[in-house]
Amino acid sequence: DTGVSQDPRHKITKRGQNVTFRCDPISEHNRLYWYRQTLGQGPEFLTYFQNEAQLEKSRLLSDRFSAERPKGSFSTLEIQRTEQGDSAMYLCASSSTPDTQYFGPGTRLTVL
Amino acid sequence: GNSVTQMEGPVTLSEEAFLTINCTYTATGYPSLFWYVQYPGEGLQLLLKATKADDKGSNKGFEATYRKETTSFHLEKGSVQVSDSAVYFCARHLDRGSTLGRLYFGRGTQLTVWP
Repeated sequence: DTGVSQDPRHKITKRGQNVTFRCDPISEHNRLYWYRQTLGQGPEFLTYFQNEAQLEKSRLLSDRFSAERPKGSFSTLEIQRTEQGDSAMYLCASSSTPDTQYFGPGTRLTVL
Repeated sequence: GNSVTQMEGPVTLSEEAFLTINCTYTATGYPSLFWYVQYPGEGLQLLLKATKADDKGSNKGFEATYRKETTSFHLEKGSVQVSDSAVYFCARHLDRGSTLGRLYFGRGTQLTVWP
């Protein structure tokens, strides 16, 4: 399978814990995106990388959130001191052009 | 602003019925427009896209035409199947030609097709 992959698919954590998610994009794609989707809503943009450079960040990405793409391939999204409001599906997408994005299956986070 | 508005669901149809899901957008320029589909428990799949006015995107029997004059991109299918049951999202890019990344999504429309 050469699509976007995400790990883990599901994560349950207690409030205050740190969590880290991984995204592996389609291999030839230099652009990588993170979105958050809550129940009944469309995805909301979090951040965007072109190669290893983080070029765009949403106001939704508070200082508890950090994303990296150290070698321009896979990316990680870390949430520190999780809150119940962080419970959501975290989606990763990649692309080789500025607009057409291909999404992974998502990581569903539940904060107890 | 930059937003996407889709008709609220849920939409319930019988197999072989005609489907329309309305989508309108606001934009300062001429963004690329998309329809994504999300099946239960899965991520979003690109269904179709259009990049300029009067373009028609089509895939798997679904169609949508980029209407600049009405700022709309309505999704249509002539004969739906049970397997089309999913959530459909309309989305727009920031602006055609923009090198920035974000897509703006509508809230999604749940479609259920009964046999």
